[in-house]
Amino acid sequence: QVKLQESGPGLVKPSQTLSLTCTVSGGSINSGNYYWSWIRQHPGKGLEWIGYISYSGTTDYNPSLKSRVTISVDTSKNEFSLRLSSVTAADTAVYHCARLRSSWFDPWGQGTLVIVSS
Amino acid sequence: DIQMTQSPSSLSASLGDRVTITCGASQSISYYLNWYQQKPGKAPKVLIYSASSLQGGVPSRFSGSGSGTDFTLTISNLQPEDFATYYCQQSYSTPWTFGPGTKVEIK
Repeated sequence: QVKLQESGPGLVKPSQTLSLTCTVSGGSINSGNYYWSWIRQHPGKGLEWIGYISYSGTTDYNPSLKSRVTISVDTSKNEFSLRLSSVTAADTAVYHCARLRSSWFDPWGQGTLVIVSS
Repeated sequence: DIQMTQSPSSLSASLGDRVTITCGASQSISYYLNWYQQKPGKAPKVLIYSASSLQGGVPSRFSGSGSGTDFTLTISNLQPEDFATYYCQQSYSTPWTFGPGTKVEIK
């Protein structure tokens, strides 16, 4: 079965760029009509969709973050990545990657906590 | 953006109870509504997609209904492993948006 695992720094300084990678195992990122997504969860709060990418590179981003977000895919490594620029404390959150299957997210990665602090 | 609401924000229930959680959308989303369960420190897990379709492997005590702007998640015969936070999510249009969550606690 497909599994997703996030990786990247857990601490980022304000104004810098947050970079995370999601590695897909148990299946090819090229297969099927899936989109690969990033979703974040502020501590003790709800869920916010960040954006998605297809294996061919088609993207869609949340307008609230669009000016700062880039999602890319590396099919040779079976992974996709998130870059969020000019971060502030408000970007402190648990970042999840997930597969968008038709119109729902399944499965999700465990999530990785990113703290923005100097 | 489509705004999602949920009620109640939390509830206390006993084992064996029937629990109902409601979700509302700020505009009609047809049946494009999904339900997730999240336990502390874990990733969300889809329970119901397209308003009423049960995800494979999810116990049949979970059910979903509704269309348009009003939706319901029902858990019949509440089990110990069902104590968690539940989120609805609209998939009618991007940006996909989630409800604020409903925490189900043990009475």
